[in-house]
Amino acid sequence: NAGVMQNPRHLVRRRGQEARLRCSPMKGHSHVYWYRQLPEEGLKFMVYLQKENIIDESGMPKERFSAEFPKEGPSILRIQQVVRGDSAAYFCASSQPGISGNTIYFGEGSWLTVV
Amino acid sequence: KQEVTQIPAALSVPEGENLVLNCSFTDSAIYNLQWFRQDPGKGLTSLLLIQSSQREQTSGRLNASLDKSSGRSTLYIAASQPGDSATYLCAQYRGNTGKLIFGQGTTLQVKP
Repeated sequence: NAGVMQNPRHLVRRRGQEARLRCSPMKGHSHVYWYRQLPEEGLKFMVYLQKENIIDESGMPKERFSAEFPKEGPSILRIQQVVRGDSAAYFCASSQPGISGNTIYFGEGSWLTVV
Repeated sequence: KQEVTQIPAALSVPEGENLVLNCSFTDSAIYNLQWFRQDPGKGLTSLLLIQSSQREQTSGRLNASLDKSSGRSTLYIAASQPGDSATYLCAQYRGNTGKLIFGQGTTLQVKP
């Protein structure tokens, strides 16, 4: 049973370009979460998605960031017009519905560097 | 505002020592609490999950406790080894979802 798969693992973008980060949840998991880890800061929640639904996006920056989890395919975190401050590690996690007693599982992360 | 605080921020110990990492949280209506390990440039590895109805969990040389009344959790590592060197994160679950509030972490170095 493959774990949470993220790609790319490392991504370099120039300022103003777009970054797309992909996440395939564990088999049987229908809930996806994105977290961001800025340098010298802790992990912060960004968004919680179910298939075709955004459940909680309270941690998403108001501009340039969007996320989706389509009916088919991986979840995508999209960052438009990247700036140097977007350089960070972006982690995806997945869980089964109704997490009581169950843990969530994290991917290995996507490291974005904006030059 | 929910906050999770970890003390100390960094810790260096000789191999073989027993040690305790501390985590405190402000929201007493805790759901679950989880301890993770993160190696440099890597993702998060789950160590122990303590459900809100539990007081502790054990796995090998690791023991985690949860005291909701005082808003504290501790991770006890017995007979530390150089391979235990990593950053340890505690995270509080916010409700019955995978939305976690993370502490800043404790970076542990175990010297041979």
